[in-house]
Parts: sequence; structure tokens; C-alpha cells
Amino acid sequence: GNSVTQMEGPVTLSEEAFLTINCTYTATGYPSLFWYVQYPGEGLQLLLKATKADDKGSNKGFEATYRKETTSFHLEKGSVQVSDSAVYFCALKKSSGDKLTFGTGTRLAVRP
Amino acid sequence: GAVVSQHPSWVICKSGTSVKIECRSLDFQATTMFWYRQFPKQSLMLMATSNEGSKATYEQGVEKDKFLINHASLTLSTLTVTSAHPEDSSFYICSAYTQGDRYNEQFFGPGTRLTVL
Repeated sequence: GNSVTQMEGPVTLSEEAFLTINCTYTATGYPSLFWYVQYPGEGLQLLLKATKADDKGSNKGFEATYRKETTSFHLEKGSVQVSDSAVYFCALKKSSGDKLTFGTGTRLAVRP
Repeated sequence: GAVVSQHPSWVICKSGTSVKIECRSLDFQATTMFWYRQFPKQSLMLMATSNEGSKATYEQGVEKDKFLINHASLTLSTLTVTSAHPEDSSFYICSAYTQGDRYNEQFFGPGTRLTVL
């Protein structure tokens, strides 16, 4: 079946540090890949997505590239801010309307 | 656009009572709504998928008689936790989906925190 594996957190960084959160997946075919962010006490928000191999999703300074050869979708940001402190979830979906399969989430804490 | 609301945002109830949680798509019609459960510091677990006008499809291990889902219209789905017990305490999140030119992704509600005493 489909699965998503994320690096375990928490990840603690100083402001302006470089961020990488690893995500790898297992799925047949060509799933769509997503990163969602959950701020404290809130629901999930879509951060970025990629629907085919070599696509790069980007938003708010975050980027992730769909790597079919390594089945990965690592999240990166060049300079994190305190306001980026949240839980980040990697997810995949096989087709439109299909359910999302989530990773376990990675908590990011950014210190001033 | 694409706003999903949940009501209530939090609820505390006594063991044995039933609690209803509403999920609404405010500015679009959702053909499909998903209900998730999130345990502290863990990922989201899909509980069920509901399509408007039909019975919900429950994931393995989810008791359909305990977690009643109704998707009566294209903008409203409800989750009723029947005879709630402390182990049902959790954060419940819904998402709404519709396929079309503008939207082709799930939009999530803000979640409902249920505490059963």
C-alpha cells in the first residue's frame, strides 16, 4: 500500500537557519505529493504541492521537488523565521478525489 | 475562497453522551468530505470518506456505529460520536473536496477538540 515516511522531530533551529525536512514515499504509479502545515491549535493548510516527476512546488519561501528516482519530496527553506514554527506533514494522493496518505508530521521550532 | 468551517471548535462532554460535529464548505460545493482523527503529537488518521447523498465509507478499524457520519448536502457533513468515552478524546478534522477547474484538492477545517470526561 501507499505510505509516507518523514524524518522524526522535533527540529529546532535558530532564525535564518536553513531548513530541510526529509520525506520519502512508497506508491505505485505517479501520485501527487503535498506538504501541509499545521500551526498551533489550527487545522491543516496546504503549503505546496507537485503533481508529476521533477515538478517543484513552492510557497512562502518553501520549496520541494518531486524526485521519482529517489521517491522523495524533501521540504526546504533557505532562511526560517519564528513564524514558521509549526508541524509539517508530507502527504501523497494517488488520484483526484482519492484519500490523502499522511506522514507522521515533523514539528519545527524556530528560536529568535 | 475554499473555506471550510467546523463547529464547535472545542467541546467537553460527559462519558456516555453523544456529540455532533459539523463540517461546512462555505464557498464551494463539496462532493466528498473526509473525516480525520489526530492524536497528540501524531499524524492524521483517516476515519471515513463521505460522498453527498450516500453512505460513508469507513476505514478499517473505525466503528461505524460509534462514529456516525451524515453528508446531507453538498456543503454540510456531520460526525456524531455516540456514547462517547474518554478514549474518544481527540482532535477531529474534516476536509472537503470538489473536482473542477478551480479546485482539485482537499481543503481542511480548523478542527474540533473533543474532551470526554
